[in-house]
Amino acid sequence: DGGITQSPKYLFRKEGQNVTLSCEQNLNHDAMYWYRQDPGQGLRLIYYSQIVNDFQKGDIAEGYSVSREKKESFPLTVTSAQKNPTAFYLCASSIVSAHEAFFGQGTRLTVV
Amino acid sequence: GQQLNQSPQSMFIQEGEDVSMNCTSSSIFNTWLWYKQDPGEGPVLLIALYKAGELTSNGRLTAQFGITRKDSFLNISASIPSDVGIYFCAGHRSGGSNYKLTFGKGTLLTVNP
Repeated sequence: DGGITQSPKYLFRKEGQNVTLSCEQNLNHDAMYWYRQDPGQGLRLIYYSQIVNDFQKGDIAEGYSVSREKKESFPLTVTSAQKNPTAFYLCASSIVSAHEAFFGQGTRLTVV
Repeated sequence: GQQLNQSPQSMFIQEGEDVSMNCTSSSIFNTWLWYKQDPGEGPVLLIALYKAGELTSNGRLTAQFGITRKDSFLNISASIPSDVGIYFCAGHRSGGSNYKLTFGKGTLLTVNP
């Protein structure tokens, strides 16, 4: 089945540790995105990538890093510099010429 | 980043009732999208709108691209319990960076059987 796969579904980390969230898509989409969702809030854009080996900061990029070495993969690292990392993280992808984004099932990160 | 004004924040309705929600902005948008999110899951695209005045249906769902290009509406007819969830509007702002969507804060819908 074509789609976007995020893993793991739930992630627990100790404060001060970096953690990497996985996002893989087999939709042949060029663009990929990472969003953060907090309770009662809309989705806020962290990073996005329009093409392999290129990515742009979104609205809340501080404390996060990404890479885009392959078209199918767009991992997100939550670093120790992120002051409030506990949240629900959503990965999405879209084709170049359209604005319709398709989402993965999300990763809930809890930092203790 | 700019947020869309989505209302109402929450709705409690009886099964069988119709539902209306909307999204407004002070800026012009050239694309409007409506998503539904179930608890603990990612949003699922319901309807996409690309032209001012466009009215599009998907089963019991109907959405409209406002004529001013600054708003959009979603209606759900004859609600059923599985309609429960959070509905988000999203849009691509005219003149904005390619591929960047702006999201509303969502409307939480509860349907009483």
